Amino acid sequence: AQTVTQSQPEMSVQEAETVTLSCTYDTSENNYYLFWYKQPPSRQMILVIRQEAYKQQNATENRFSVNFQKAAKSFSLKISDSQLGDTAMYFCAFRPPGSARQLTFGSGTQLTVLP
Amino acid sequence: EPEVTQTPSHQVTQMGQEVILRCVPISNHLYFYWYRQILGQKVEFLVSFYNNEISEKSEIFDDQFSVERPDGSNFTLKIRSTKLEDSAMYFCASTPGGGSSHEQYFGPGTRLTVT
Repeated sequence: AQTVTQSQPEMSVQEAETVTLSCTYDTSENNYYLFWYKQPPSRQMILVIRQEAYKQQNATENRFSVNFQKAAKSFSLKISDSQLGDTAMYFCAFRPPGSARQLTFGSGTQLTVLP
Repeated sequence: EPEVTQTPSHQVTQMGQEVILRCVPISNHLYFYWYRQILGQKVEFLVSFYNNEISEKSEIFDDQFSVERPDGSNFTLKIRSTKLEDSAMYFCASTPGGGSSHEQYFGPGTRLTVT
C-alpha cells in the first residue's frame, strides 16, 4: 500500500514571499501520478498541480511549481509570490497507474499567508 | 466550466437513520469516487465506481455503505444506519478515465453531522 507523508502540519509565509511545502511518499510502483490539492476554508478540493512520474521535467503552473525527486520519493510544492488567497490546507496525493484508481492523501499542511 | 455538484451541502441526521448523499458528476465522465474527511483529518478514499460496478473500496466501506448510479446523471452514497463516527465531510469526485485524464474533479462536499 502506498503512504504519503507531509511532515509540516502548519506553515506561514509573508505575502509576496516564497514558501515550500514538503511531501514524501512510499510506493513500489514505477509509473504513478502525484498531485497537490488546495482546500480553502470553504473545504472545496481544488487541484493545484500534478506530476506524472515518467516525466523528468518538474511541473509548473503559474506561481506554483514542484520539485519532483523520484529516487528520493519526494514531491515538494513551491509557491512563489505568495498571496493572501493562497491561505488554505494543502494536501499531497498519490495515484497509482490504471483507471479508477484511488487517491491516497497526506495529512495536509495548513498554510497561512500573512499580510 | 463543467463541475461536480453535490446535495445537500449540509445534512444533519440522528444516529441509526439512513442518509443518501447525492452527486452529479461531470456529464462525460466515466469513473466516480466517494471520499470522506473527518474534521481535522486527512481525506480518505471510500469507493470507486465504473460501468455500474464498484471498482475498488476501502476497509471503511463496510456493509453499512452502498453506492448507486440510479440514472444517467446521479451518483449516490447511502449510509444505512448512521453512527456518530460517520460525521464527516463527504466528497464526490469524477474523472473521464482512460488515456491521460488522471485528474479527479471534486465536488464541494456534503457535511454530514450525526447526532
